[in-house]
Amino acid sequence: DVKVTQSSRYLVKRTGEKVFLECVQDMDHENMFWYRQDPGLGLRLIYFSYDVKMKEKGDIPEGYSVSREKKERFSLILESASTNQTSMYLCASRAAGVDTQYFGPGTRLTVL
Amino acid sequence: GQNIDQPTEMTATEGAIVQINCTYQTSGFNGLFWYQQHAGEAPTFLSYNVLDGLEEKGRFSSFLSRSKGYSYLLLKELQMKDSASYLCAVNAGNNRKLIWGLGTSLAVNP
Repeated sequence: DVKVTQSSRYLVKRTGEKVFLECVQDMDHENMFWYRQDPGLGLRLIYFSYDVKMKEKGDIPEGYSVSREKKERFSLILESASTNQTSMYLCASRAAGVDTQYFGPGTRLTVL
Repeated sequence: GQNIDQPTEMTATEGAIVQINCTYQTSGFNGLFWYQQHAGEAPTFLSYNVLDGLEEKGRFSSFLSRSKGYSYLLLKELQMKDSASYLCAVNAGNNRKLIWGLGTSLAVNP
């Protein structure tokens, strides 16, 4: 079974803090994704990575950066958290040549 | 543009059958997914259709018509645990990204 884990289920941070969200997958998948999910807006892609040290912007990259130093790990960084970044953050992974994405449990981030 | 439409909410009765529709307008098409998402949890994969027709998997079936830009998810013998949001997503040709619908919130009542 594919397993995608995220570092925290719930996180509370203050405005201006630097926030790291970590995602790890154990299936040697090449592709990894970061989404945020908000009521009425659905799943929106922030960044994705198709290989180590490779990244591409998704639909809403502003205010975020990512890091992929190892194949199994994909980190999302909020350089200076703001209240409008309060959201559910979901990580997903996918093998190359296969279309199905598998999701981690999500991190509910609250920025005060 | 790219667009996926699903009903926002549906209600059904335990033991019944429900059909959740999804229509899409995308620049390309390489397959359509259905995911289930319980409140506060991550989406889990249900089905994938790339060719026209019906794919059956236990109580769940998914249908695709590429010429009509249309899919549906059919849930039979509904159970209370089927209360969830059902997300339709299309691989529109960029093989690294999916286009997501906003989801259909299904409430199953006793």
